[in-house]
Amino acid sequence: DTEVTQTPKHLVMGMTNKKSLKCEQHMGHRAMYWYKQKAKKPPELMFVYSYEKLSINESVPSRFSPECPNSSLLNLHLHALQPEDSALYLCASSQDVLRRAGEQFFGPGTRLTVL
Amino acid sequence: EDKVVQSPLSLVVHEGDTVTLNCSYEVTNFRSLLWYKQEKKAPTFLFMLTSSGIEKKSGRLSSILDKKELFSILNITATQTGDSAIYLCAVSAGNMLTFGGGTRLMVKP
Repeated sequence: DTEVTQTPKHLVMGMTNKKSLKCEQHMGHRAMYWYKQKAKKPPELMFVYSYEKLSINESVPSRFSPECPNSSLLNLHLHALQPEDSALYLCASSQDVLRRAGEQFFGPGTRLTVL
Repeated sequence: EDKVVQSPLSLVVHEGDTVTLNCSYEVTNFRSLLWYKQEKKAPTFLFMLTSSGIEKKSGRLSSILDKKELFSILNITATQTGDSAIYLCAVSAGNMLTFGGGTRLMVKP
């Protein structure tokens, strides 16, 4: 299985809602990443998990809360988002963070719209 | 601050043409340079380059890295409409990927 899966594919939420994005991989990768991508822009790194521990938080507002329950799963909990948070949220994984960080496999993304 | 710059920003060609996409970078602790193709959703991995001067090939696509001049090129020969996409260059430095702004390629029939 060489796939990263993400659910849901699309999500529309109000500013007072609480929702979660999910990401799963079964490649035995020990590094997982959340990216945010706005239209016509490259992906921007949000969080990096290495061996289930948060290793990088790129100054992301606290309304985004990542969670790594185990080595295969990565969640992104959303609360009190703003309309400008609407974007494609991409999950990626790589074998590890140090030596193989470059070879990241991306999931299909969740397209989030905040009303 | 790490920087990755791609050119051109966009390109329109006709089927059968050959295109060359450019990526230059300034990063500390360089590990590798990667090319991704992004259509409607997630970027899909094309190549990872770590050594200068060694061409990587996959079908009609090829790429090479110059670590002295700090750039890479991605060539696509005999382009097809299915090659239309955004091509992203990214540099792995430390434990992060820094992406360039992408080149939007449109291949017309």
